[in-house]
Amino acid sequence: EVQVLESGGGLVQPGGSLRLSCAASGFTFNSYAMSWVRRAPGKGLEWVSAISRSGSNTYYADSVKGRFTISRDNSKNTLYLQMNSLTAEDTAVYYCAKVSGRWSRGDSFDYWGQGTLVTVSS
Amino acid sequence: DIQMTQSPSSLSASVGDRVTFTCRASQSIDTFLNWYQQKPGKAPKLLIHDASSLQSGVPSRFSGSGSGTDFTLTISSLQPEDFASYYCQQSYTTPRTFGGGTKVEIK
Repeated sequence: EVQVLESGGGLVQPGGSLRLSCAASGFTFNSYAMSWVRRAPGKGLEWVSAISRSGSNTYYADSVKGRFTISRDNSKNTLYLQMNSLTAEDTAVYYCAKVSGRWSRGDSFDYWGQGTLVTVSS
Repeated sequence: DIQMTQSPSSLSASVGDRVTFTCRASQSIDTFLNWYQQKPGKAPKLLIHDASSLQSGVPSRFSGSGSGTDFTLTISSLQPEDFASYYCQQSYTTPRTFGGGTKVEIK
């Protein structure tokens, strides 16, 4: 059974940093791209970042580019999101999502975790 | 970036109703369109990929259609477990973008 489980969320002050982790199981981790998607309170889903199977290619939404860094450790079947210079607008539930392919046209987010809440507030 | 617009933003319906929502892309995305369902406090779930292909395990009352810029998701007979929010998402290009969602509420 495919499972992805996020951790690392919490309360952080504006300007602070946080690292999210996503532990994956039930599939061959290094065969699929992975992604982060967030949902701010009262808003819809927003794609944040994605990473290729090997980790050599990374992709970011403009809203987080230069502040967030996605990475993966294929030996540990784990995805990460390092978040720096956080602002109140980054407050959201962050979801780890398995991509159905290698990150190419036509892929979907076929499995999602339950999410981890990040709250940026003083 | 490709903008995805969903309508309506919410609708009220009864069990057994046939409901249809729409999603419009700001430019042609061929059939690179996915639909997700999200219930409160739960993870999103992939329902339809490539505009009309039912994801494994999803009930056949869900169907999708469209190509280019205009897409629809139809639930043929609304069930109690279908009251949720529904999002479309384009997989044509990066950044991937989602529509604002349609919330289906009980009438």
